[in-house]
Amino acid sequence: QKEVEQNSGPLSVPEGAIASLNCTYSDRGSQSFFWYRQYSGKSPELIMFIYSNGDKEDGRFTAQLNKASQYVSLLIRDSQPSDSATYLCAVNGPYGNKLVFGAGTILRVKS
Amino acid sequence: EAGVVQSPRYKIIEKKQPVAFWCNPISGHNTLYWYRQNLGQGPELLIRYENEEAVDDSQLPKDRFSAERLKGVDSTLKIQPAELGDSAVYLCASSPGTLYGTGELFFGEGSRLTVL
Repeated sequence: QKEVEQNSGPLSVPEGAIASLNCTYSDRGSQSFFWYRQYSGKSPELIMFIYSNGDKEDGRFTAQLNKASQYVSLLIRDSQPSDSATYLCAVNGPYGNKLVFGAGTILRVKS
Repeated sequence: EAGVVQSPRYKIIEKKQPVAFWCNPISGHNTLYWYRQNLGQGPELLIRYENEEAVDDSQLPKDRFSAERLKGVDSTLKIQPAELGDSAVYLCASSPGTLYGTGELFFGEGSRLTVL
């Protein structure tokens, strides 16, 4: 079982819709959770992080964490074509010193 | 403020040849990471440095890969000899300290290696 699992997609949504990206992790002791965005041919950049169960909102982005279900999600409201990218879920282990990435979900926003 | 600088951006070599990648992290960042990203996959950690000490190299294939971070600043990752399966993007990242904070890694543009 992979440590961090994501559906590879592609996930296609129309412009203005809500995109929902999901991630599960295997280490129940994981402490913190991150979403990175990676445009084609570019390096990853952090867009959201979450530590506690529940929702965390930042502009059009909402991260959701459910530690009991070992599940993290990212919602993107009012999706724009510029949101088209690969979204990488990353999980920080119980000792806080190792970030493990999922394989990423490709998001395509159609105008 | 300058970001993480990597070179070369692209490298094409024949198998069994050596190759080296260089990384200069953001000034003041004590922690430096080398990740490898294969096509369609997420980055996989090869080695992590805290200052000049390699504190996690469990994923580094030590038979052919080596790394150093002299003086705790810039770093070099070497592959010798390269194999076809080493074709990937090698990403260097840095962070101010441990990942207990935002967990934000600042990535360089990457070095894309093609082994023929």
